[in-house]
Amino acid sequence: GQQLNQSPQSMFIQEGEDVSMNCTSSSIFNTWLWYKQDPGEGPVLLIALYKAGELTSNGRLTAQFGITRKDSFLNISASIPSDVGIYFCAGQRLSGTYKYIFGTGTRLKVLA
Amino acid sequence: DTAVSQTPKYLVTQMGNDKSIKCEQNLGHDTMYWYKQDSKKFLKIMFSYNNKELIINETVPNRFSPKSPDKAHLNLHINSLELGDSAVYFCASSQDPGSTEAFFGQGTRLTVV
Repeated sequence: GQQLNQSPQSMFIQEGEDVSMNCTSSSIFNTWLWYKQDPGEGPVLLIALYKAGELTSNGRLTAQFGITRKDSFLNISASIPSDVGIYFCAGQRLSGTYKYIFGTGTRLKVLA
Repeated sequence: DTAVSQTPKYLVTQMGNDKSIKCEQNLGHDTMYWYKQDSKKFLKIMFSYNNKELIINETVPNRFSPKSPDKAHLNLHINSLELGDSAVYFCASSQDPGSTEAFFGQGTRLTVV
């Protein structure tokens, strides 16, 4: 089945640094979502994006819906140790079965 | 109160056995899902039910059979377990099929030996 490609696959950063990750698709989505999965837990929604070009923030997190509707970006500013986890993008089409297609994940490790 | 709860959290079983995973949501949502997360952490949808009716059935072996006795419950039964079935299985729910946000359970780590 289709998967969305996320980059980078994993990253180690120092506490306080800013983080950027992206998600790309070969096809168009109507909605882009960003989830975070903590170890041993299920994913939790961070940000939802509904319009091409939209920029949305949630605390230190900012996400953008790409103009082409085939990509999305997530930035985390001033990272802290509890930001560690796996970040997933997900795309949703508002037609058919509405199912989410999840990205391959970006594993973030923050060094204190 | 846990919004989406799965049992058991861990399941270790031998090849060939039949096992079930249960899921319950207390959010009043109409739609429930089963996802599989493999060892590389890829998340893939398996099934989705809306008001007890199957609406998504991905290419999943027919050894996997979901059952929704009511819209608050979606159980997953797996027959003749194989080594490749080892994964973390997540249950999730959303208000309706078109909802943006899905709420996930904590997952069931299935290990087939």
